[in-house]
Amino acid sequence: AQTVTQSQPEMSVQEAETVTLSCTYDTSESDYYLFWYKQPPSRQMILVIRQEAYKQQNATENRFSVNFQKAAKSFSLKISDSQLGDAAMYFCAYIYAGNNRKLIWGLGTSLAVNP
Amino acid sequence: DTEVTQTPKHLVMGMTNKKSLKCEQHMGHRAMYWYKQKAKKPPELMFVYSYEKLSINESVPSRFSPECPNSSLLNLHLHALQPEDSALYLCASSLRTSGSSYNEQFFGPGTRLTVL
Repeated sequence: AQTVTQSQPEMSVQEAETVTLSCTYDTSESDYYLFWYKQPPSRQMILVIRQEAYKQQNATENRFSVNFQKAAKSFSLKISDSQLGDAAMYFCAYIYAGNNRKLIWGLGTSLAVNP
Repeated sequence: DTEVTQTPKHLVMGMTNKKSLKCEQHMGHRAMYWYKQKAKKPPELMFVYSYEKLSINESVPSRFSPECPNSSLLNLHLHALQPEDSALYLCASSLRTSGSSYNEQFFGPGTRLTVL
């Protein structure tokens, strides 16, 4: 079965500091994609970053970067220089390339940013 | 235009009412999705339309009836809902559902539904 696990239901970080959100997944497939989505209290779900499984290089998007450990099936998100606007629910998600329709979601991590 | 719009933003309905949720995109996407999301939970997939045809129905009760009149528009018709159906209903779209490369899903802001 394909599953995504986020072991940290809640986290907090001081403004300007760095925080890492954890995600592990289970799959027997070799061709898949991993994502981090952000959902602020205003509720719009936004894609933060994506990683193709065949790429060894970790994806980065400005202050957001991932640590993709394929053998360990780990996909953590690092947020550098945290800002108040980073406060949100963060969902890790997986999709198998052969089932290009259904995202498998983790339960989410609620991130608070303290001024 | 990289936006998925949803109307209404909020909806309150009784258990005997009939109402509809609307979703629209003008990005030329041919796949559209309905999700249900409870507070602090991940979205649950309900329906997927691909090229205006229903391709996935995740065993959703028949009181939810989707409709895709054209490639830009997706409706969700609601009838005889239960209080436990109260949730945020999200619409999303992607370029397509087939192919070897993933097509990102773009989400709308959602409709907050309350069933009394």
